[in-house]
This record gives sequence, C-alpha cells and structure tokens, in this order.
Amino acid sequence: GENVEQHPSTLSVQEGDSAVIKCTYSDSASNYFPWYKQELGKRPQLIIDIRSNVGEKKDQRIAVTLNKTAKHFSLHITETQPEDSAVYFCAAMEGGGADGLTFGKGTHLIIQP
Amino acid sequence: GAVVSQHPSRVICKSGTSVKIECRSLDFQATTMFWYRQFPKKSLMLMATSNEGSKATYEQGVEKDKFLINHASLTLSTLTVTSAHPEDSSFYICSASYPIAHNEQFFGPGTRLTVL
Repeated sequence: GENVEQHPSTLSVQEGDSAVIKCTYSDSASNYFPWYKQELGKRPQLIIDIRSNVGEKKDQRIAVTLNKTAKHFSLHITETQPEDSAVYFCAAMEGGGADGLTFGKGTHLIIQP
Repeated sequence: GAVVSQHPSRVICKSGTSVKIECRSLDFQATTMFWYRQFPKKSLMLMATSNEGSKATYEQGVEKDKFLINHASLTLSTLTVTSAHPEDSSFYICSASYPIAHNEQFFGPGTRLTVL
C-alpha cells in the first residue's frame, strides 16, 4: 500500500517569512495529492491539491509542487500570517476517487509574531 | 455545496456498550464514503471505504466485526463501534466523494468518542 512521509513535524517561522513542508510517497500509481489544514478538534480543510498531470499549482499565497519522478511534493506558504498557524497534512491517493487517502503524519506550523 | 455532517459530535459511553455514528452528505449523493480515525496529536488513518449498497472494504488491522459500517443510501453511512473499550476512544471523521468531484473528499466535522 501507499506510504506517505512528511517533514518537518514542527516548523516555526517568523511572520511574513515563507514556510515549506515536504512529503514523499511510495506508490507510483498515486495520482492525487491534497494538502489539508486542521485546527484542533476540527475537520481537515482542503487548502490546495495537485494531480499527477501537473507539476505546480498556485493559489494566492499557497503553492504546491509535484515531482513524479522523485515521488515528492511540497507545500509552500509565502508571507505567512498568524492565522496560518495550524497542523498541515499532506495526503496521497491512487485511483479514480474510490480509494481512501493516505495521510502524512502532519506538520505543526507555528507563526511567530 | 458538498456539505457533510456527522452525528453526534461528541459521545461518552461506558466500556462494553455500542455506539453508532452517522455520516450524511447533505447536498450531494455520495457514491463513496470513507471512515478515518485520528488519535490525539496524530494523523488520520483510513479505517474503511464504503460504497452504497455493498459491503465496506476495511484496511488491514481494522476489525470488521468491531467497526460495523453500513452505507444504506447515497446520503448516509453509519459506523457502529461495538463493545467499545477505552482504547477505542478517538476522533472519528467521515468523508464523502462523488464521481465528478475529481477525487476531492469532503470531510464531516468529526465525532469525539470517549469510552470510560
């Protein structure tokens, strides 16, 4: 089955700086890679996703890059703000939407004012 | 659109009792629903995948007789934790998808189960 590794487990950055979270996956058949933001006790919120036919996707301050050859994908948050503080999870999924997601272990992002 | 609800949001029960958690898609028909479990400060782990009208597919290590899943309609899936024990205490989250959602899963708000 799929195995997703996520690093770092904790990331502290100064407000306004950029944050980068990296994930690797093991199953070359995976073709959908979402990123979620989760606040304590809440549901995961999809913040951005990328599919295997695309190498990069951007939405305002958030971007995701995907390297299929190396089987890794990264989340980039620029101009970080205090409200970006949360736990972020990457995930991978294969198939046409009928499969469950395999999540990374999460990154606790702390934005220092 | 694509709203998923869960009920109850929080439940406390005694060891040995069974607890049923409902997951509903409110504004779409969910061809597939998923159940995840999340322990404190841990990641989400997929427990099972269910399709309407058929038996759920359980992940390795998840006991199907302990975690009963019923996907009775295109808008409702239920997870019953049978003979609950303290180690079953966790945050249970469902998600739902539909074919034209292009793989995106829509998550419910989660159910906090505490077994005393």
